[in-house]
Amino acid sequence: DTAVSQTPKYLVTQMGNDKSIKCEQNLGHDTMYWYKQDSKKFLKIMFSYNNKELIINETVPNRFSPKSPDKAHLNLHINSLELGDSAVYFCASSSRASGFVGEQYFGPGTRLTVT
Amino acid sequence: AQSVTQLDSQVPVFEEAPVELRCNYSSSVSVYLFWYVQYPNQGLQLLLKYLSGSTLVESINGFEAEFNKSQTSFHLRKPSVHISDTAEYFCAVSSNTGNQFYFGTGTSLTVIP
Repeated sequence: DTAVSQTPKYLVTQMGNDKSIKCEQNLGHDTMYWYKQDSKKFLKIMFSYNNKELIINETVPNRFSPKSPDKAHLNLHINSLELGDSAVYFCASSSRASGFVGEQYFGPGTRLTVT
Repeated sequence: AQSVTQLDSQVPVFEEAPVELRCNYSSSVSVYLFWYVQYPNQGLQLLLKYLSGSTLVESINGFEAEFNKSQTSFHLRKPSVHISDTAEYFCAVSSNTGNQFYFGTGTSLTVIP
């Protein structure tokens, strides 16, 4: 029973293409996130949704667009891919029921390689 | 706003030796503190957390961390490491008033046989 799943696990594509990464959680959480981890392992939060509402939108190019069709899904669409977009993208989820951003559960990651 | 500093980017240590991974934070409000572990080619997993109460928190695999408010630190320790502890360790902080969650830059722990 995978708690947070992401597809695809690997994604190799050429510059200029448009691609999407899907994320689903079956934990009943109300908050979901997208993180980017670069080659030096640095983790940067990109977006966060709470009950389908965008609550965190860090400074990322507007080529990145998250979409949350329901509380259990948060997809990431990337337009006009660039070499610098190559990274591992992690989806995560948590519950804000206790009033704070607490323990987050991470997906296995999607390794995006732009050639 | 909060921030997290992990002072050591890489820590090599021999098997069965003790280890301490350092984490300092800055915040003007009360915080919650976390350590996450990332094994090679995997996502992050929560190792332990401090929310309130006892300042010493422990994980099931022998790690512990102590919240020190005066020194604004949350260092991670283990008295005797195993090869399987080789991983990337991330310290993180969140505010109990907001919706921000900040990770440190990570410490790569390598256990040498």
